[in-house]
Amino acid sequence: DTEVTQTPKHLVMGMTNKKSLKCEQHMGHRAMYWYKQKAKKPPELMFVYSYEKLSINESVPSRFSPECPNSSLLNLHLHALQPEDSALYLCASSQATGGYTFGSGTRLTVV
Amino acid sequence: GEDVEQSLFLSVREGDSSVINCTYTDSSSTYLYWYKQEPGAGLQLLTYIFSNMDMKQDQRLTVLLNKKDKHLSLRIADTQTGDSAIYFCAEIRTGGSYIPTFGRGTSLIVHP
Repeated sequence: DTEVTQTPKHLVMGMTNKKSLKCEQHMGHRAMYWYKQKAKKPPELMFVYSYEKLSINESVPSRFSPECPNSSLLNLHLHALQPEDSALYLCASSQATGGYTFGSGTRLTVV
Repeated sequence: GEDVEQSLFLSVREGDSSVINCTYTDSSSTYLYWYKQEPGAGLQLLTYIFSNMDMKQDQRLTVLLNKKDKHLSLRIADTQTGDSAIYFCAEIRTGGSYIPTFGRGTSLIVHP
């Protein structure tokens, strides 16, 4: 298995909703990442988990809450989002030396 | 992506070669990557090169690295309409957290 699987592919949520994005990989990668990507822009790093511990939080607002239940799973819990949070959310995993594998993303729309 | 620069657009005719260029600033970069992103999809790793290499070829893809000028290029031979996408250059610096710095992406448009 050489893929990173993200669910759901599309999500529409209201500003008062709580939802979660899920990411799964079975490549034995010990680093997992959440990125946010706006249209026609490069991905922006949000969080990094290394060996299931949060190692980098790029000053992301607390309405985004990451969770790494085990070495294969990564979640992103969403609460009280704003319309400007609408974007493509990408999960990635890697070995220590880089060479990321990205998922196909969750297209999030906040209404 | 301010430290990694790419031109924003490239338009080519089907069957021609495409050359996408990238410049980077960190001379100690160890890994340099090319990613492809089709509309509505994630980033697909196309190829990568180590900073101790000058060239890498993989089927229709050729990567050239000029360390002196800190210039990286991706050549796609016999470009097809399916190659239309955004191509991101990324560098990973040595001694750091192995977090890539992405360029802004080059939008490749292939005309039939």
